Amino acid sequence: AQSVAQPEDQVNVAEGNPLTVKCTYSVSGNPYLFWYVQYPNRGLQFLLKYITGDNLVKGSYGFEAEFNKSQTSFHLKKPSALVSDSALYFCAVRDMGGSGNTGKLIFGQGTTLQVKP
Amino acid sequence: GAVVSQHPSWVICKSGTSVKIECRSLDFQATTMFWYRQFPKQSLMLMATSNEGSKATYEQGVEKDKFLINHASLTLSTLTVTSAHPEDSSFYICSASEQPNTEAFFGQGTRLTVV
Repeated sequence: AQSVAQPEDQVNVAEGNPLTVKCTYSVSGNPYLFWYVQYPNRGLQFLLKYITGDNLVKGSYGFEAEFNKSQTSFHLKKPSALVSDSALYFCAVRDMGGSGNTGKLIFGQGTTLQVKP
Repeated sequence: GAVVSQHPSWVICKSGTSVKIECRSLDFQATTMFWYRQFPKQSLMLMATSNEGSKATYEQGVEKDKFLINHASLTLSTLTVTSAHPEDSSFYICSASEQPNTEAFFGQGTRLTVV
């Protein structure tokens, strides 16, 4: 079965410092990986995805993620954090297995990012 | 990116009544939509997969007679919480994507409070 793990419940970083939000995955085939951000009482906003190609993926709002096949990781990064980046971040893998291929997403448990001024 | 609109954003209802939540893909057609439930500061729990023109596929443990899903067109799926109880109070979110291998776009969510 496919799964995603976000080992940190919360990440704290000072504004202007680089940030990393960790994600590891387990899939049976090629992974389709995504990062989403959620602000309070809102739906999820798409940040970036890895389907194939370059291991370093650039996304919205200055975020990027590095796909590492040997470590089965897809960590989210940003060179310089902003206070407005404070939110709940979800890593997800798309389930491409089985018949019917609905492409449903399997989410990690989420990581709260707190950026302090 | 594509837009998914969810309505209402919040609703308060009395125990025993039914509530309908709509999810629309505004600028693309979606043969498949997904309904999630989220508890405070927790991850999204997939409730069901909504398939246009056919029955929804429910995840294990989700009562299909309580959470009725209808996907009558390529741009609209509805979730009806029937005979609502306070324990049904939660944040419900829908999502849709144009193709199974492309990113999903999410509605803004519906905060349901059953009193």
